[in-house]
Amino acid sequence: EAGVAQSPRYKIIEKRQSVAFWCNPISGHATLYWYQQILGQGPKLLIQFQNNGVVDDSQLPKDRFSAERLKGVDSTLKIQPAKLEDSAVYLCASRRTGYTNTEAFFGQGTRLTVV
Amino acid sequence: AQKVTQAQTEISVVEKEDVTLDCVYETRDTTYYLFWYKQPPSGELVFLIRRNSFDEQNEISGRYSWNFQKSTSSFNFTITASQVVDSAVYFCALSEARRGNTPLVFGKGTRLSVIA
Repeated sequence: EAGVAQSPRYKIIEKRQSVAFWCNPISGHATLYWYQQILGQGPKLLIQFQNNGVVDDSQLPKDRFSAERLKGVDSTLKIQPAKLEDSAVYLCASRRTGYTNTEAFFGQGTRLTVV
Repeated sequence: AQKVTQAQTEISVVEKEDVTLDCVYETRDTTYYLFWYKQPPSGELVFLIRRNSFDEQNEISGRYSWNFQKSTSSFNFTITASQVVDSAVYFCALSEARRGNTPLVFGKGTRLSVIA
């Protein structure tokens, strides 16, 4: 079974530029999460999708962050404009539908550096 | 509200020593799930174990063991005879069951360094 795929692995941009990250979840996993992990901290949820609908985006800074999941499969996370404090690893995870006791599978993440 | 506390920021041990990573959690739900993940230098979060709130049996998997105690809201992780390959950041996480597939809430992690 293929894992969660993310790209790019690394990205360096200047502040005020825009950037986009892509995620392809495990086939058949209807739940998809984007997490932000700042250096030295645990992952923090940004947004949760169930199929192509948003379930929880309460912690997403909506003035600069946006995310979509077209057709309930792949997802993109965008930052526009980026700030220095957005430097972090952005992790995508997926989970089976209808099960609360299953683990979430994570991709390798995208390491963003804003200079 | 959900909360996971990993009080140990960094631990350093010599190879072959046993080490225990602590995890304390807070939740209002009676049904919830606890997880441990390993994050090696490559960055990917690797699933280690899941435990349901109604199953307090301890679990052993090779050199890894987990002690779940609802009375103290703790879910501790022990590595026996540690090896250099165990060096990583370990995260404890909690997911509540009341709203379906609720997101995992993570602690801040414990960085384990095993020295040869």
